[in-house]
Amino acid sequence: QQPVQSPQAVILREGEDAVINCSSSKALYSVHWYRQKHGEAPVFLMILLKGGEQKGHDKISASFNEKKQQSSLYLTASQLSYSGTYFCGTGPSGGSYIPTFGRGTSLIVHP
Amino acid sequence: EPEVTQTPSHQVTQMGQEVILRCVPISNHLYFYWYRQILGQKVEFLVSFYNNEISEKSEIFDDQFSVERPDGSNFTLKIRSTKLEDSAMYFCASRLQGSEGYTFGSGTRLTVV
Repeated sequence: QQPVQSPQAVILREGEDAVINCSSSKALYSVHWYRQKHGEAPVFLMILLKGGEQKGHDKISASFNEKKQQSSLYLTASQLSYSGTYFCGTGPSGGSYIPTFGRGTSLIVHP
Repeated sequence: EPEVTQTPSHQVTQMGQEVILRCVPISNHLYFYWYRQILGQKVEFLVSFYNNEISEKSEIFDDQFSVERPDGSNFTLKIRSTKLEDSAMYFCASRLQGSEGYTFGSGTRLTVV
């Protein structure tokens, strides 16, 4: 079951904050977050493995709410380099621990 | 920093032809994957490979697809008889453990004409 990401697109000015949500209709045991710049491979940001877990590095962090079956990615004081499409991957699904990716959230940061 | 290497970066092939996409995963990684991404769409799982055999595959990975790890370093995806709808970016990925994130290669853009 594909996770649902919201919003579909975000346009920011440098220095502004953004939140990207990832929701699943099924119980979650892990959430991956990736950023993909146009024409490039997805780059791993972080993985959350336990409900309630929070992680972060630099000014990008994420939380995992097991009860709500959702995860949120927080981008604080966004930089131009944050522009790209953010994908969440959730698992398990149908007995598989391979994450299923959402359709992505496009983030554009303007100067 | 170690990386996953894919070749070629772009391949154009005629419908019905066989193609082999090549990947060199990170040397100490144990799990290997192929994903594809049709232009503008989400990343879709094709197949996972562990301990020299397929561990999982998706509905997309039908009899036209096969994977091999022929020599302990290369990991290949073969499409026997390409169709127009096989046109996509194909990503190879690897990870050390199942609990970690993927390291993706830079992809092979396959165009079937």
